[in-house]
Amino acid sequence: SQQGEEDPQALSIQEGENATMNCSYKTSINNLQWYRQNSGRGLVHLILIRSNEREKHSGRLRVTLDTSKKSSSLLITASRAADTASYFCAGGTGTASKLTFGTGTRLQVTL
Amino acid sequence: GAGVSQTPSNKVTEKGKYVELRCDPISGHTALYWYRQSLGQGPEFLIYFQGTGAADDSGLPNDRFFAVRPEGSVSTLKIQRTERGDSAVYLCASSLDGTFYGYTFGSGTRLTVV
Repeated sequence: SQQGEEDPQALSIQEGENATMNCSYKTSINNLQWYRQNSGRGLVHLILIRSNEREKHSGRLRVTLDTSKKSSSLLITASRAADTASYFCAGGTGTASKLTFGTGTRLQVTL
Repeated sequence: GAGVSQTPSNKVTEKGKYVELRCDPISGHTALYWYRQSLGQGPEFLIYFQGTGAADDSGLPNDRFFAVRPEGSVSTLKIQRTERGDSAVYLCASSLDGTFYGYTFGSGTRLTVV
């Protein structure tokens, strides 16, 4: 079963603008990760935030985590056409390290 | 190898046939995971191996699905009596030691059952 919902399902912005994607999850996690997927194939790990962290940065990416609301957000600043992809959040649990993914946000960045 | 390798990249099979999907993890990674991704959805967990044994197979949808990892490296996902609903991208991932360190996905096998 899916971990939760991502919002919006699809997002279209112009190059240079910021893109914000939100994720809500259902069960307890010990970390939350964001992945990028091009053309429905391989998943590329972007960033991991632990349950005791509230915010994390990596290059143009900023992730927040609110465990009381069971939600996370991914901000991509100064977007580029190459950022066009689907983005998934995934909750990680300690046992077995399996990931439970959200439904994804399709981001389209136009020139 | 440098990354997680999955073969074949695409597989078309007839309903009722048997298929095998192969995953070759990163060398030295003891943990291996299979996920299935249906069109428009996020990946869903199928099974997790730690070494040669299946530590968690709670995601396998039914007894037509089976996976092995006999020598603790390459894994094969086996699907018997395939159904059209099995059509999906099957993704494999490996990690260094069953934690999230080095968690890396392969490019997947797109299975189409006609």
